[in-house]
Amino acid sequence: EAGVAQSPRYKIIEKRQSVAFWCNPISGHATLYWYQQILGQGPKLLIQFQNNGVVDDSQLPKDRFSAERLKGVDSTLKIQPAKLEDSAVYLCASSPERRASGANVLTFGAGSRLTVL
Amino acid sequence: AQSVTQLDSHVSVSEGTPVLLRCNYSSSYSPSLFWYVQHPNKGLQLLLKYTSAATLVKGINGFEAEFKKSETSFHLTKPSAHMSDAAEYFCVVSDYNQGGKLIFGQGTELSVKP
Repeated sequence: EAGVAQSPRYKIIEKRQSVAFWCNPISGHATLYWYQQILGQGPKLLIQFQNNGVVDDSQLPKDRFSAERLKGVDSTLKIQPAKLEDSAVYLCASSPERRASGANVLTFGAGSRLTVL
Repeated sequence: AQSVTQLDSHVSVSEGTPVLLRCNYSSSYSPSLFWYVQHPNKGLQLLLKYTSAATLVKGINGFEAEFKKSETSFHLTKPSAHMSDAAEYFCVVSDYNQGGKLIFGQGTELSVKP
């Protein structure tokens, strides 16, 4: 099966500019996640969708970050305006379903590396 | 809240020697635990998972991990390192109270010397 697709792979912008990242999950996967991975740290969940509904966005900086998943398939993560501290790799992942029992197995995309100058 | 602590930020081994990457977890109940690997410029890949079945879990590429409740540990091992094992490894716990949200450790970078 095809993996999780993300684009662009690399993006360089200046602070206060805007940027958007796109993710296409594995076909049929109901749950989609966006993670932020700052250099030298483990990934941190930004937002989790179940189909086209948000189930967890507690760590999303909502003053500048937004995300949507129209029609429950593709998703877009936007940052506007960007800050220096937003430099990171943005990882998209998907899983077949959201299990509260904790056995979720996620498939990750290769990530989108953002550099803010 | 659940959490994981990876005890080494960097581990260096010689090819053919054993690998040990250490992880301790904190949880008020039986957790689900995972190890993921991240090769440079590639996505995270699941190595193995523990979900309260057998305490010794076998994963891909010869890796295995043992869940030890008394020590709150979930160390990752491999009998013989290969050059292709060089990567970043993440220990991960699933937070039952937050709908299975994955909490990642800080990562351990594994270097393999020829």
